[in-house]
Amino acid sequence: GAGVSQSPRYKVAKRGQDVALRCDPISGHVSLFWYQQALGQGPEFLTYFQNEAQLDKSGLPSDRFFAERPEGSVSTLKIQRTQQEDSAVYLCASRDSHSGNTIYFGEGSWLTVV
Amino acid sequence: AQSVTQLDSQVPVFEEAPVELRCNYSSSVSVYLFWYVQYPNQGLQLLLKYLSGSTLVKGINGFEAEFNKSQTSFHLRKPSVHISDTAEYFCAAANAGGTSYGKLTFGQGTILTVHP
Repeated sequence: GAGVSQSPRYKVAKRGQDVALRCDPISGHVSLFWYQQALGQGPEFLTYFQNEAQLDKSGLPSDRFFAERPEGSVSTLKIQRTQQEDSAVYLCASRDSHSGNTIYFGEGSWLTVV
Repeated sequence: AQSVTQLDSQVPVFEEAPVELRCNYSSSVSVYLFWYVQYPNQGLQLLLKYLSGSTLVKGINGFEAEFNKSQTSFHLRKPSVHISDTAEYFCAAANAGGTSYGKLTFGQGTILTVHP
């Protein structure tokens, strides 16, 4: 596709519910990132994939957060037993080796936990 | 560890006036620096980036930024703003170097509001 595509754009979850957020990166991009942006804050790094390998998951806030990219393209961020503090925008981004270190962001998935 | 500080949370300005959005960074290694813009309900769009070379970087929509290593700053400027520049602006840094994969550290954001 032309850009990074994320779905759903908006998700309301009841506390304790599991959610899955999908990211479709720019075709051919090797690197994929997930960021969390709380209201009024800058994005914060969650995890990084190079192809299907998850090379850095140091930003995942708890073991309720899990990300995968099994075939090196589409990625899913899963949040188990959602809590109110998980309410945020989850941004996916991708980059390839030819873009001069430019990271391209999707429009985000807005998660509200009630 | 790396940190990015945006010194102003909100900047109001009148249309056609100049504007400067301030950004300072702290890092123990060389960094790449970026400015992104975020319009309401949209993702982040790259305005400009500094990787190496000339310290004055020009970006899209008439914005420019100057890398100042001695002051560890990367302030964003525009000589004449438009109503359409109203948005939130984020400064970000990434480790330079061959083994880096480009993880970004963001500042808290500056909301630019352009008044008619």
